[in-house]
Amino acid sequence: QVQLVESGGGLVKPGGSLRLSCAASGFTFSDYYMSWIRQAPGKGLEWVSYISSSSSYTNYADSVKGRFTISRDNAKNSLYLQMNSLRAEDTAVYYCARASDYCSGGSCYDYFDYWGQGTLVTVSS
Amino acid sequence: DIQMTQSPSSLSASVGDRVTITCRASQSISSYLNWYQQKPGKAPKLLIYAASSLQSGVPSRFSGSGSGTDFTLTISSLQPEDFATYYCQQSYSTLGITFGPGTKVDIK
Repeated sequence: QVQLVESGGGLVKPGGSLRLSCAASGFTFSDYYMSWIRQAPGKGLEWVSYISSSSSYTNYADSVKGRFTISRDNAKNSLYLQMNSLRAEDTAVYYCARASDYCSGGSCYDYFDYWGQGTLVTVSS
Repeated sequence: DIQMTQSPSSLSASVGDRVTITCRASQSISSYLNWYQQKPGKAPKLLIYAASSLQSGVPSRFSGSGSGTDFTLTISSLQPEDFATYYCQQSYSTLGITFGPGTKVDIK
């Protein structure tokens, strides 16, 4: 069965760095786009970043652009998020999610069909 | 970025009720609309993709409809396990994927 397991969260001071990991199993990791999505305490979901199956394409939310870097290692079935210059507003549970698509009538519709359990990042002095 | 709104922000309902949640996009997104359910302390779960396609394993009491800017998630007969927060999400623009603010469904 598909499993996504995040790790690497913790407490970090403002301006600090943290690297999140997501270990994937139960599917051919190299076939799928992957994403990071976060949720601040008591708040809604915010998409953070996206990476293509071969790492040729990445994209970021404006709120993290220039500070966060998404990457993957298909040989290790792993997804990463390097977070630098962390701010208090980056405090959240970070989820990794698999992106699948459904194609019909010439259009392909993306969606997140599997999510990890999340890892909590707290940015505080 | 495409902005997503949901209404209501919360609702109280009883088991067996028919529940409808609305999601609106700030511009046309065709059918690039997904719905997720999230329970406290858990990861979101995909319910509906491409506006109206039911994800495998999701009960048939859940249905989605709409196209363009206006979308609806309907639960035909609310069950105890359906009390949760529901989010819509647009995938029209992968340059900026956005979620709605959520609709919390609780027990009346």
